[in-house]
Amino acid sequence: DSGVTQTPKHLITATGQRVTLRCSPRSGDLSVYWYQQSLDQGLQFLIQYYNGEERAKGNILERFSAQQFPDLHSELNLSSLELGDSALYFCASSVDPDSYEQYFGPGTRLTVT
Amino acid sequence: DAKTTQPPSMDCAEGRAANLPCNHSTISGNEYVYWYRQIHSQGPQYIIHGLKNNETNEMASLIITEDRKSSTLILPHATLRDTAVYYCIVRSRIGANNLFFGTGTRLTVIP
Repeated sequence: DSGVTQTPKHLITATGQRVTLRCSPRSGDLSVYWYQQSLDQGLQFLIQYYNGEERAKGNILERFSAQQFPDLHSELNLSSLELGDSALYFCASSVDPDSYEQYFGPGTRLTVT
Repeated sequence: DAKTTQPPSMDCAEGRAANLPCNHSTISGNEYVYWYRQIHSQGPQYIIHGLKNNETNEMASLIITEDRKSSTLILPHATLRDTAVYYCIVRSRIGANNLFFGTGTRLTVIP
């Protein structure tokens, strides 16, 4: 158990819909990262927040957005969903915003039908 | 960032040491070597990292060659629960701090 929690564990929705994925970092970690893992793309970095502020952006689509709240939990919003958005979405956290020692949650499996 | 090369798959007998190689011949002086693993569909798990010296923790040992162009992750006594994809990642502490996962090595521990 990494200490990072993600909800929901599974999500099934239709194309065109919008969903919100939630992540609670390990206690004391100020930095949160979001990654997407699809079968054909491997693990891809989406975005990082540190203490409520966006710190780094990766291959995140414009249809996707995220935020980190004052209590440090983070949400990833995915809108206008397409079949290709079906993937595992992982959240990770770290104490140091520049650290590669990141602790990953169990992931949310999103299926778009 | 330096590119890494890992064998796509390896087998190891249960109880034996698993030695997972990684080539990073273009590594630069400020780049660290990180190892993660991912057990099927679970979140990746940090294992160990190093810069120049060999490192050991409760999970594994990391041996980095003197020229730093390659490294080996050693799981001293592999168990069935060590079956996973192992990723070798080379990153600088400066700049973008996201992890870049390549294709890794699929380690299968055989009973």
